[in-house]
Amino acid sequence: RKEVEQDPGPFNVPEGATVAFNCTYSNSASQSFFWYRQDCRKEPKLLMSVYSSGNEDGRFTAQLNRASQYISLLIRDSKLSDSATYLCVVNAGGTSYGKLTFGQGTILTVHP
Amino acid sequence: GAVVSQHPSWVICKSGTSVKIECRSLDFQATTMFWYRQFPKKSLMLMATSNEGSKATYEQGVEKDKFLINHASLTLSTLTVTSAHPEDSSFYICSARQGAPEAFFGQGTRLTVV
Repeated sequence: RKEVEQDPGPFNVPEGATVAFNCTYSNSASQSFFWYRQDCRKEPKLLMSVYSSGNEDGRFTAQLNRASQYISLLIRDSKLSDSATYLCVVNAGGTSYGKLTFGQGTILTVHP
Repeated sequence: GAVVSQHPSWVICKSGTSVKIECRSLDFQATTMFWYRQFPKKSLMLMATSNEGSKATYEQGVEKDKFLINHASLTLSTLTVTSAHPEDSSFYICSARQGAPEAFFGQGTRLTVV
């Protein structure tokens, strides 16, 4: 089983749609969770951290379920500029500053 | 967020030569930096953890003599790909942390070995 596994995608949605990405992780001792966004041929950029209570940043909502070892990202009112690869990232080392493990990424394309 | 700068952004080199990639933390000190490799349409693969003032920690399957890492100061880590071959062509990315779990990435270096 992969340490971090994401929806295979790709997702192709119209502008204004709501889209949700799922991610599961295998190490129950994982401490920190993130969603990164990566544009084509660019470096990953932090989109948001994921907290146990769930958190929201504008149109983006992240949720964490430690019991199920499951993370989600919800994007509301999709924009063309949201088109990118979304990476689920887990600090799987069991400490706050352990190694980051990346999911394989989910490609999102938002079309007019 | 913190700024991490990577140089060069792209490089083409001949087979058998060595290439050095620099990763700098511009506005903070980083005792630990990470080096990743990414193949097209694949996720990031951690190659090694670079520790300031000590030897790097390499992931399983990564040749330490092939990928030399030096972290001589709190703001600079370098990755040298020695005796490069076409199969070393890839996107190499570094990252650093600023006292928090999330990491910030350099712009990446696209290496092409011909």
